[in-house]
Amino acid sequence: EVQLVESGGGLVQPGGSLRLSCATSGFTFSDYSMNWVRQAPGKGLEWVSYISGSGTSTLYIDSVKGRFTISRDNAKKSLYLQMNGLRAEDTAVYYCARDYMYASDIWGQGTVVTVSS
Amino acid sequence: QSALTQPASVSASPGQSITISCTGSSSDVGAYNYVSWYQQHPGKAPKLMIYGVSDRPSGVSNRFSGSKSGNTASLTISGLQAEDEADYYCSSFTSTSGANWVFGGGTKLTVL
Repeated sequence: EVQLVESGGGLVQPGGSLRLSCATSGFTFSDYSMNWVRQAPGKGLEWVSYISGSGTSTLYIDSVKGRFTISRDNAKKSLYLQMNGLRAEDTAVYYCARDYMYASDIWGQGTVVTVSS
Repeated sequence: QSALTQPASVSASPGQSITISCTGSSSDVGAYNYVSWYQQHPGKAPKLMIYGVSDRPSGVSNRFSGSKSGNTASLTISGLQAEDEADYYCSSFTSTSGANWVFGGGTKLTVL
């Protein structure tokens, strides 16, 4: 069974850092690009970041450039999102998702990030 | 304000059909055949229903179909069932500065 499981969310003060992880199973991880997508409370979906299967290509939404870093460890079949300089507007459920034909075909259950003092 | 525009809500009775529109621009929906649609039930992760404008992933009912004309994409659900009640989001790859994928604001489908 194809599965994505996020972890690492929590409550953090403004300006703080968190590292999200996404453990995968059931497919050849290195064959797929991956995305992080977030959803603020009561709001819609927002794409955050992308990484190619090899990890050599990364993309970010403007609002997180310079603060967030996406990475992957293909040997561990895991995806990461290092989040620094967190702001209140980063508060959201963060989903990792497998990229397929410029869409996201498999999603994790999400991890909650709350930025508040 | 979302980059793609969807109606906030639609409603219909079981067995009827509905269409949800998703209006973008010549930088996203109009430029690429990379429109996708997602279904999200409350408290759950999104589920891919349509990719590449009109392709259905394995396991998705053929009651769901997608299309595109110019800068507007559409999701049609025929033979509505109670379990179709959910939020639906469209998404597109984009060449707009600032992001590489954009989503619509979401449409709440109510099955009466």
